[in-house]
Amino acid sequence: GQNIDQPTEMTATEGAIVQINCTYQTSGFNGLFWYQQHAGEAPTFLSYNVLDGLEEKGRFSSFLSRSKGYSYLLLKELQMKDSASYLCAFMDSNYQLIWGAGTKLIIKP
Amino acid sequence: GAVVSQHPSWVICKSGTSVKIECRSLDFQATTMFWYRQFPKQSLMLMATSNEGSKATYEQGVEKDKFLINHASLTLSTLTVTSAHPEDSSFYICSARDVASSYNEQFFGPGTRLTVL
Repeated sequence: GQNIDQPTEMTATEGAIVQINCTYQTSGFNGLFWYQQHAGEAPTFLSYNVLDGLEEKGRFSSFLSRSKGYSYLLLKELQMKDSASYLCAFMDSNYQLIWGAGTKLIIKP
Repeated sequence: GAVVSQHPSWVICKSGTSVKIECRSLDFQATTMFWYRQFPKQSLMLMATSNEGSKATYEQGVEKDKFLINHASLTLSTLTVTSAHPEDSSFYICSARDVASSYNEQFFGPGTRLTVL
């Protein structure tokens, strides 16, 4: 079967670093996505990993290990505007996105 | 990047009426569009996959007669909530897949907030 899991909520301090983990199980895999979603808004694309390793994009980085079914999103130099839900999703063999429940990230001053 | 629009952004209607939501890909052709529903503090729930020129594929538990999907062109898909009831109040989001993109990624519309009185 397919499943995907990520923590429900995390809290971090402004200026710090936070890592949001995501684990998944699937037989067919065409990449893993991270999206950011602010309350009341649609998700916006952050990153895509299809090969193992770390992809860095400014303050955000995403890592993938296909053998472990594991990914993380790393946010550096946290800003208050980073308070949002972060959704991980993998694309299955039918190119359909399977979504995690999202991690609500709370940034404190 | 690719842009997807949705209309209307929000709608309030009386119970029993029907509501149509439009999803348009503005600068690319989308053979596949997706319709999601999201209740407060919950994750996205895929309702159906819409393919241009063919019938939509509905997820288990989604009533196809209640949520009518039409994907008549490569840039437009519509979702009609028929005989809406208060429990249909939700945030409806569409996305469109850009097959020309490197990632085969989905681009999301801004969402439509539906409130049924």
